[in-house]
Amino acid sequence: QKEVEQNSGPLSVPEGAIASLNCTYSDRGSQSFFWYRQYSGKSPELIMSIYSNGDKEDGRFTAQLNKASQYVSLLIRDSQPSDSATYLCAARRFSGGYNKLIFGAGTRLAVHP
Amino acid sequence: GAVVSQHPSRVICKSGTSVKIECRSLDFQATTMFWYRQFPKKSLMLMATSNEGSKATYEQGVEKDKFLINHASLTLSTLTVTSAHPEDSSFYICSARDPLAGKANTGELFFGEGSRLTVL
Repeated sequence: QKEVEQNSGPLSVPEGAIASLNCTYSDRGSQSFFWYRQYSGKSPELIMSIYSNGDKEDGRFTAQLNKASQYVSLLIRDSQPSDSATYLCAARRFSGGYNKLIFGAGTRLAVHP
Repeated sequence: GAVVSQHPSRVICKSGTSVKIECRSLDFQATTMFWYRQFPKKSLMLMATSNEGSKATYEQGVEKDKFLINHASLTLSTLTVTSAHPEDSSFYICSARDPLAGKANTGELFFGEGSRLTVL
């Protein structure tokens, strides 16, 4: 079992719709979770971070965390073509004396006009 | 926000040569930096944790003699791919945590622009 799992997609949504991206993790010791957006050929950029159960909203983005179910999600409201990218879910765990980010394989989102 | 710079962004080399990639934190001091590699349409795989003034900590399965990491200062870490072969062709990305960003006890992780290595 991979430590962080995501559906690879592609997830295709029409412009203006809500895109829902999901992620599960296996290490119950993970406490912090992150969503990164990565355009093709570029490095990841941080979209959201979430540490507590519940929802966290930032503009068009809402991250949701359910530690009991080991589930993290990202909702993108009013999706735009510019949101088309690969979204990486990451969990932070403490290992070998350091906090490390473990990434899922990413979900490719395609927003069509 | 914090800036992490990587150089070179692209490098093409012949098989058997060595390639050095630099990662710099431009406006903060990073005692720890991380090196990832990413194959096409795959996720980032953590290779090693680079520690200022001490040896890097490598992930399982990563050859320390092939991927030499040096973290000589609080703002610079280098990754040297020694005796590169075509299978080493990949996108290498460094990241660093700004301890003063984000929540006080976590810090946010910032990524460099990545370096695409092609070994002929």
